[in-house]
Amino acid sequence: AQSVAQPEDQVNVAEGNPLTVKCTYSVSGNPYLFWYVQYPNRGLQFLLKYITGDNLVKGSYGFEAEFNKSQTSFHLKKPSALVSDSALYFCAVRDSNFNKFYFGSGTKLNVKP
Amino acid sequence: AAGVIQSPRHLIKEKRETATLKCYPIPRHDTVYWYQQGPGQDPQFLISFYEKMQSDKGSIPDRFSAQQFSDYHSELNMSSLELGDSALYFCASSPAGGIANEKLFFGSGTQLSVL
Repeated sequence: AQSVAQPEDQVNVAEGNPLTVKCTYSVSGNPYLFWYVQYPNRGLQFLLKYITGDNLVKGSYGFEAEFNKSQTSFHLKKPSALVSDSALYFCAVRDSNFNKFYFGSGTKLNVKP
Repeated sequence: AAGVIQSPRHLIKEKRETATLKCYPIPRHDTVYWYQQGPGQDPQFLISFYEKMQSDKGSIPDRFSAQQFSDYHSELNMSSLELGDSALYFCASSPAGGIANEKLFFGSGTQLSVL
């Protein structure tokens, strides 16, 4: 079965500090992994994806994520957080054998000035 | 650049009424997905279409139906609405038949409130 887990409901960081939003996954085939950000009353915006290749993926707005196959993780990171990064972040996985996305439960990121 | 267009943005209905949500995918995207996001919940997959045919089905109630038309737009029809149907309904589109390594492009959603 395909599933995604985001163990933290909320992450609080101070502006300028590094941030990490955690994600672990479970798929039966090769994982295709994605991060989306959602601002209030808005659709989900694509940040980055891992398909194959380099385990460190760079995406929009300075975000990056590291694919770790042995730990089945795909944590989202940013070296220096901005207040404007405050939003809801969803990790998603797609099994190479199947069509639909599976989303994690979301992590609310709060960046304080 | 053109994005996924959903209409209406907001919809208020009463119990047992019907509702129709529309989705216009990005031009040349042939695959459409519908997701339901309840308050504080993650998006739940409802149904998807590829080239006007249903390609996958998730947790869509029997009271709901959907189709994709010849111009690739899609409509989600919801009947006998219940209070629990109140949610944000997202449409997403994808090119190339929605193959696994392609990302989805999401619309802004339709906020449905059932009173």
